[in-house]
Amino acid sequence: EAGVTQFPSHSVIEKGQTVTLRCDPISGHDNLYWYRRVMGKEIKFLLHFVKESKQDESGMPNNRFLAERTGGTYSTLKVQPAELEDSGVYFCASSQDLRMISGYNEQFFGPGTRLTVL
Amino acid sequence: SQKIEQNSEALNIQEGKTATLTCNYTNYSPAYLQWYRQDPGRGPVFLLLIRENEKEKRKERLKVTFDTTLKQSLFHITASQPADSATYLCALNTGGNKLTFGTGTQLKVEL
Repeated sequence: EAGVTQFPSHSVIEKGQTVTLRCDPISGHDNLYWYRRVMGKEIKFLLHFVKESKQDESGMPNNRFLAERTGGTYSTLKVQPAELEDSGVYFCASSQDLRMISGYNEQFFGPGTRLTVL
Repeated sequence: SQKIEQNSEALNIQEGKTATLTCNYTNYSPAYLQWYRQDPGRGPVFLLLIRENEKEKRKERLKVTFDTTLKQSLFHITASQPADSATYLCALNTGGNKLTFGTGTQLKVEL
């Protein structure tokens, strides 16, 4: 079974440009999450989709970030316009909804997209 | 402020010894705590979960303890091997499915 995939693996853009990151979750996983790790800091939550709906977007840093999950399958995270402080590694994760069974949802992470804003 | 701290940025131990990693948190009352492994260029991989009413959980050479009074979890790798070298992250569920991660501890197991 394929894991979570992310594209691109690395993106280098200039300040003010737009970048779109893509995440393909594990097939059948309704939950999709975005996280990011900026240099020297811990991995931080950005938002959570259940199917195509945003369940929790409390971690989105500002309105330059737009996440979508049309059709409830893959998701995109667009940064427009990119700023220097947006540099970091963006991780996507997905999970089934097993809370009624086990009480928690194990999250499976993708390899991340390393974003460098110059 | 809410914080999850892990002991030291790096831990070097000799092959065969037991590695012990610490995770301390403040201002949370998590229902459970998770440990992840992360290798360079890869995303975190789930290892173990321990619930608030569990004191200890084991999986092969891994052991996790959880003390909700001290607000601390210890993660042990027994009979460590060079292949165990990686960064280990603890994480709490801090609302819904949201994970809040610690800073991570980089473990290096030397021959």
